[in-house]
Amino acid sequence: SQTIHQWPATLVQPVGSPLSLECTVEGTSNPNLYWYRQAAGRGLQLLFYSVGIGQISSEVPQNLSASRPQDRQFILSSKKLLLSDSGFYLCAWSLPGVGTYEQYFGPGTRLTVT
Amino acid sequence: AQKITQTQPGMFVQEKEAVTLDCTYDTSDPSYGLFWYKQPSSGEMIFLIYQGSYDQQNATEGRYSLNFQKARKSANLVISASQLGDSAMYFCAMRPPISNFGNEKLTFGTGTRLTIIP
Repeated sequence: SQTIHQWPATLVQPVGSPLSLECTVEGTSNPNLYWYRQAAGRGLQLLFYSVGIGQISSEVPQNLSASRPQDRQFILSSKKLLLSDSGFYLCAWSLPGVGTYEQYFGPGTRLTVT
Repeated sequence: AQKITQTQPGMFVQEKEAVTLDCTYDTSDPSYGLFWYKQPSSGEMIFLIYQGSYDQQNATEGRYSLNFQKARKSANLVISASQLGDSAMYFCAMRPPISNFGNEKLTFGTGTRLTIIP
C-alpha cells in the first residue's frame, strides 16, 4: 500500500530564516506530487505541483520554491521566511495518467513564523 | 476558472441524525470532478467520496453519499447516522478536465466545521 510522509510535523522559525519541508511517498512510482498551504480557518491553496523529477509548476507567486530531486521526494523551500508564510503545509500525491482522480494527503507540517 | 462555495461555516448536529453539507460550484468545463475531504483536528485530509460530471448515479461510500444536482451545480455531502467521530472540517473540492499530463489541480472550498452533539 502507498504511504506519504511529511516532516517535520511542527516548526517554529524566525522571520528571515530559511525553510525546508520534505515529503516522501512510498509504494508507488512516478506519482504526481503537490504542495498545498492552508491558512488558519481557510481552505487549501495549491502552491506547486510536479508530474516528474525536476518538473515543477508554480501556481502562486511567492517567496517559496519547490524541488523534486527524486521520483518520490518533494521539497518545499524558502531562502527567507515571511510572517505571511505561517500556515499548515500539506503534501499530496496522485497516480499519474488519465482516469485517476483522488489526491492523498500527508499528515502536514504546521509552520509558525515569528 | 473554477470556484467552490461552501456557505455553512459551522453546523451542529445531534448524534445519529443525518446531516447535509452544502457545496455549490462554478465551471465552464463540461468535464469535471467533485470531491469531499474530511479534516479532523489532527490536520490530515481524508478522502471521502468522488463524483464525476458524467457519472449517471450519485456516488455512495458507506455512510457517505453525494447528492449531485448538475443543473443546480450543487454537490452536497450527506452523512447518514452521524457519529461523534464525524466531528471535523469538511471540504468540497473540484478538479478540472484531465489534462494531457494527467495532473489534477484541485480547487477547494472554505470548508464547513461539523460538530456532532452526543
